[in-house]
Amino acid sequence: GAVVSQHPSWVICKSGTSVKIECRSLDFQATTMFWYRQFPKQSLMLMATSNEGSKATYEQGVEKDKFLINHASLTLSTLTVTSAHPEDSSFYICSARTSATNTGELFFGEGSRLTVL
Amino acid sequence: QKEVEQDPGPLSVPEGAIVSLNCTYSNSAFQYFMWYRQYSRKGPELLMYTYSSGNKEDGRFTAQVDKSSKYISLFIRDSQPSDSATYLCAMRAGGYNKLIFGAGTRLAVHP
Repeated sequence: GAVVSQHPSWVICKSGTSVKIECRSLDFQATTMFWYRQFPKQSLMLMATSNEGSKATYEQGVEKDKFLINHASLTLSTLTVTSAHPEDSSFYICSARTSATNTGELFFGEGSRLTVL
Repeated sequence: QKEVEQDPGPLSVPEGAIVSLNCTYSNSAFQYFMWYRQYSRKGPELLMYTYSSGNKEDGRFTAQVDKSSKYISLFIRDSQPSDSATYLCAMRAGGYNKLIFGAGTRLAVHP
């Protein structure tokens, strides 16, 4: 399957600082990437859909000014958690869909664990 | 009512057992059905992908979709300790509609 790389895999930051997480499609071009959040022992919650060259579409209840998403190229999307607080601590996972298929297969990154102190 | 219902478990089985994991759904527009495996602190890995109704087999894994009952299953034969993980069902309608995930079932296979 296609490879999606996510970096960093874990990060610890102080409350009030901003953290950037990168998601890269390594062997395919991804016109669409998705950002999910996952709390312990819970399923994935879609936060936003990121389309290359346009603004992200956020799910209801997700603050777009807090979770900034940029999809500047066909292989890179970034999620920036601005002014992070302890309640933002979570596992963030990105996924990507290839532009060549509409079969619905999503390939996931390894996830980034954020801990805000 | 959630769009996708999945028993979170945990499900504990002995090595070699046949495991049955299930999801039910309410949206009749769903056409694409997937099963993902997620190890602790890792991203989900696509295991099986099925379009519409029917069965699909891949090694020890068999996926079944019954659209008339709005019910999907994943069977694991000859389960191994390495199969211990959380299994997430996911599904979506046609086009580029977003995936809807089940809660995930935690499976433990003990030697």
